[in-house]
Amino acid sequence: AQSVTQPDIHITVSEGASLELRCNYSYGATPYLFWYVQSPGQGLQLLLKYFSGDTLVQGIKGFEAEFKRSQSSFNLRKPSVHWSDAAEYFCAVGASSGGSNYKLTFGKGTLLTVNP
Amino acid sequence: DTEVTQTPKHLVMGMTNKKSLKCEQHMGHRAMYWYKQKAKKPPELMFVYSYEKLSINESVPSRFSPECPNSSLLNLHLHALQPEDSALYLCASTAGYNYGYTFGSGTRLTVV
Repeated sequence: AQSVTQPDIHITVSEGASLELRCNYSYGATPYLFWYVQSPGQGLQLLLKYFSGDTLVQGIKGFEAEFKRSQSSFNLRKPSVHWSDAAEYFCAVGASSGGSNYKLTFGKGTLLTVNP
Repeated sequence: DTEVTQTPKHLVMGMTNKKSLKCEQHMGHRAMYWYKQKAKKPPELMFVYSYEKLSINESVPSRFSPECPNSSLLNLHLHALQPEDSALYLCASTAGYNYGYTFGSGTRLTVV
């Protein structure tokens, strides 16, 4: 079964600083990997996704992520954080659960706090 | 239309009440999902509908009853809930493996 580990529960950065959120996955085949962001009391918004091809993927809001198969990682990065980036970030792996069924498994999330 | 719409946004219900949550999408997605999310936790899968048929039930108690009347609509019927069922209930849909999910903004449910 697939699983996702986000080692950092809470990260604090200063506005304008760079950001890296870590994600490690476990899955037997080529994974479908996603990063989602959630503001308090809101649904989840897709930041970016990886399926195949170029291992560096660009997303919305200036985020990017790099897939490293050798390290089973899919870390999220942003060169300069804005105060509005403060939110909960979830890494997820998608996999078939039989037939046409497909479901996402989420990591526990990383809460990002941005200091002015 | 690229949204998943959930109603109501907030719901307070007593333990003897019957209520329903509604989810609607008009993107032609044939897979729809219900997730439950407790505070400071990741979403947990409850049900998956694929082509309007229930395909996954993650051992959810029978007081939660899903329904998919058509390809655009997903309901979650609630009856005799417990206070510990209070959570954010999220609906999502997808066009397939390589698209990711589109989530609604959720229904904040409080059981009193």
